[in-house]
Amino acid sequence: AQSVSQHNHHVILSEAASLELGCNYSYGGTVNLFWYVQYPGQHLQLLLKYFSGDPLVKGIKGFEAEFIKSKFSFNLRKPSVQWSDTAEYFCAVTLSGNTGKLIFGQGTTLQVKP
Amino acid sequence: EAQVTQNPRYLITVTGKKLTVTCSQNMNHEYMSWYRQDPGLGLRQIYYSMNVEVTDKGDVPEGYKVSRKEKRNFPLILESPSPNQTSLYFCASSLRSTGNQPQHFGDGTRLSIL
Repeated sequence: AQSVSQHNHHVILSEAASLELGCNYSYGGTVNLFWYVQYPGQHLQLLLKYFSGDPLVKGIKGFEAEFIKSKFSFNLRKPSVQWSDTAEYFCAVTLSGNTGKLIFGQGTTLQVKP
Repeated sequence: EAQVTQNPRYLITVTGKKLTVTCSQNMNHEYMSWYRQDPGLGLRQIYYSMNVEVTDKGDVPEGYKVSRKEKRNFPLILESPSPNQTSLYFCASSLRSTGNQPQHFGDGTRLSIL
């Protein structure tokens, strides 16, 4: 079965540190890739997405992600985190031509210390 | 303002008492979906709908029902709730079900079944 793995479950960083959150998926076909963020008590918001083209995608709030097809990975990065980035981050995929179902990773809780 | 609206936001109820969580979107989206979020498991799809009168099971449909009589509404029905359905529920919608459409999420409904 298709799955998404996020290797870091809980990350603690100080402000201005760099961030990289890992995401790997298991599916050999064409995928659409997403990162969502969930701030405390709020709904999920789309950070960025990759469908095709340039494998380095830029999203909102200074986040970016790189799709590496050979590694089945879509890692999220930010050069310098802020306290306001404290949230839970979810990697998700949909399979092209499928039902539109988002397959989510387990989520990574990011805590940024001021 | 484009949004997905869920009601109620919070509900505490008892085993066996039927309940309905409503979901409405104002974006004329064809695709709607329900997810449940549990710690360590990310979000898992319960049911989805590709259009009016078209619904299908997701990964964890047991104990739930849905209907899609109108394009904007997609209620989630728990006919006989049980404690293992205590969770945080999200409704989502997207323009189409092709997989490359970002999904917009509601604010969530926290259900506690005693």
